[in-house]
Amino acid sequence: QSALTQPRSVSGSPGQSVTISCTGTSSDVGGYNFVSWYQQRPGKAPKLMVYDVNKRPSGVPDRFSGSKSGNTASLTISGLQAEDEAAYYCCSFAGSYTYVIFGGGTKLTVL
Amino acid sequence: EVQLLESGGGLIQPGGSLRLSCAASGFTFSSFAMSWVRQTPGKGLEWVSGISGSGVSTYYADSVKGRFTISRDNSKNTLFLQMDSLRAEDTAVYYCSRPRAPLASPDGMDVWGQGTTVTVSS
Repeated sequence: QSALTQPRSVSGSPGQSVTISCTGTSSDVGGYNFVSWYQQRPGKAPKLMVYDVNKRPSGVPDRFSGSKSGNTASLTISGLQAEDEAAYYCCSFAGSYTYVIFGGGTKLTVL
Repeated sequence: EVQLLESGGGLIQPGGSLRLSCAASGFTFSSFAMSWVRQTPGKGLEWVSGISGSGVSTYYADSVKGRFTISRDNSKNTLFLQMDSLRAEDTAVYYCSRPRAPLASPDGMDVWGQGTTVTVSS
């Protein structure tokens, strides 16, 4: 049960776009269209930003979009804003044995 | 208001046991699978355990299999995590969480508690 692989950090200037990758295997990310993304600010519980690869819960800005190709999922944040600075985690369903697996997390810095 | 409230965390010696609880309100608890997710200090999220709405099916991360037991009391809208043979590496904030819909995939968790801290140390 190795964690999904994410870059430790990414950065961008306000107004720019950034993409965070999340690499797994055919047993998790590649095997199911059940990938989600979470935003977490220090001291707070995670917040669901994307589910089922590319769907957004109500209230999440459309600047946040998800996609997947093979064993790699991606979260793109466009029109970067200072308030987007946070840690982002990907998460995937991984079958009835492993069940759920998270990525190691990516720290987004808005320059 | 949909809400999850964890309790039961604390300081415990290695090898000891602790039972976490998660009180749910504002939704039909028995219709939802539930999960426990933990976060070690300064590190990432780790899914720990999950349970079906009926309580019949349970799931565990390899790191806790054989030591932790998840259960639920649907009559009291409460989720539990019995943690035995605790180790220093179990030190973390433990969150209970709920998927966004009754039949939704368990990875998409849109309701989280505030977390309860477990510290395993002598």
